[in-house]
Amino acid sequence: DARVTQTPRHKVTEMGQEVTMRCQPILGHNTVFWYRQTMMQGLELLAYFRNRAPLDDSGMPKDRFSAEMPDATLATLKIQPSEPRDSAVYFCASGLVRDGAATTDTQYFGPGTRLTVL
Amino acid sequence: EDKVVQSPLSLVVHEGDTVTLNCSYEVTNFRSLLWYKQEKKAPTFLFMLTSSGIEKKSGRLSSILDKKELSSILNITATQTGDSAIYLCAVVQSQGAQKLVFGQGTRLTINP
Repeated sequence: DARVTQTPRHKVTEMGQEVTMRCQPILGHNTVFWYRQTMMQGLELLAYFRNRAPLDDSGMPKDRFSAEMPDATLATLKIQPSEPRDSAVYFCASGLVRDGAATTDTQYFGPGTRLTVL
Repeated sequence: EDKVVQSPLSLVVHEGDTVTLNCSYEVTNFRSLLWYKQEKKAPTFLFMLTSSGIEKKSGRLSSILDKKELSSILNITATQTGDSAIYLCAVVQSQGAQKLVFGQGTRLTINP
């Protein structure tokens, strides 16, 4: 049963601390997305990668957020330093694109990381 | 600015009722529209719509796209308490990279 996994599922930290969230996309998928969900803003796209290369990170606050894909099975989202306004659920999703066209527009979401910054 | 708007934002009905959720969009290079259901965890995929006027059905759920009106509806008949969730609408732009623009969601509550 292929699925996207995310760790940790919950994280409570203090303002100013570094936070790293990890995502393992579905094996064989070559696009990875990071979203943030809050009650006020809903689901916001932060960044996405295709074949490990960042395609768009315009939704991400550049001064404190960074996203990487060190290899095809791992995507990371880092916040340094964290602030209370970063408290949200962070979702990773993966999909498959071949030859420049999505084989399906469907993205498969991981369970999310619930981040609380005190 | 690309945007997706859902209505109503919140809806409370009784078990057995039929509900219609709305999604309208203004995006450049429309490719497809997706519906997701989100309970207490991650969004799960329901439907993908690309062609206007063709209804997609899955059990008591159905959805249709109207490209002329730039909108879609999601119908749920004979609602059950298990249908209580946030229903998200998202539009894919034809950039070949599955970039989704999400609406704010409709919170549906089904009371027994």
